[in-house]
Amino acid sequence: DTAVSQTPKYLVTQMGNDKSIKCEQNLGHDTMYWYKQDSKKFLKIMFSYNNKELIINETVPNRFSPKSPDKAHLNLHINSLELGDSAVYFCASRMRGRNSPLHFGNGTRLTVT
Amino acid sequence: GQQVMQIPQYQHVQEGEDFTTYCNSSTTLSNIQWYKQRPGGHPVFLIQLVKSGEVKKQKRLTFQFGEAKKNSSLHITATQTTDVGTYFCARQGGSEKLVFGKGTKLTVNP
Repeated sequence: DTAVSQTPKYLVTQMGNDKSIKCEQNLGHDTMYWYKQDSKKFLKIMFSYNNKELIINETVPNRFSPKSPDKAHLNLHINSLELGDSAVYFCASRMRGRNSPLHFGNGTRLTVT
Repeated sequence: GQQVMQIPQYQHVQEGEDFTTYCNSSTTLSNIQWYKQRPGGHPVFLIQLVKSGEVKKQKRLTFQFGEAKKNSSLHITATQTTDVGTYFCARQGGSEKLVFGKGTKLTVNP
């Protein structure tokens, strides 16, 4: 199947832990993103990579570190997790260009206790 | 700023009623995209509007882009329970950034 796939789907962890979320797309897209969706459903952009190069870095705590080993993969590592990090994290990709639509992964629901 | 204002935040309708959500910007938009997110799901691209005054239809859904390219609307005729979800508009925020409105959550009473 052609898709944006991210793992894990659910992640429950305690405050202070470090965790990673992985994302892969086989759509041949150039640009990948991480979005955070809070409990009010607000979708906020966090990072974007184009062909392994970081092009968007919103005001995100530096506990969040994205990594793109190649243009088909974008991972998100979170250090010292806090309660406020609980949210659904969506990976997305699209072809570079202002008119191309975003293709989202199924999301990772992170719960920090 | 780059934010698009989307109203209403919530809309509850009886099945068969019409529904409209509006997206407004203080600045001219190069284009506007619309997405639908079903409960528990991920946002799915519906359509993109580019031209001033553009109107596009997808079955019972009608999308409009304002003449001044500062607002857009999504209208659903005769809602069905399958229309339930949150509808987002999104604008280009510069470079490769796509900025989403806060969404309109639609619930449909059968």
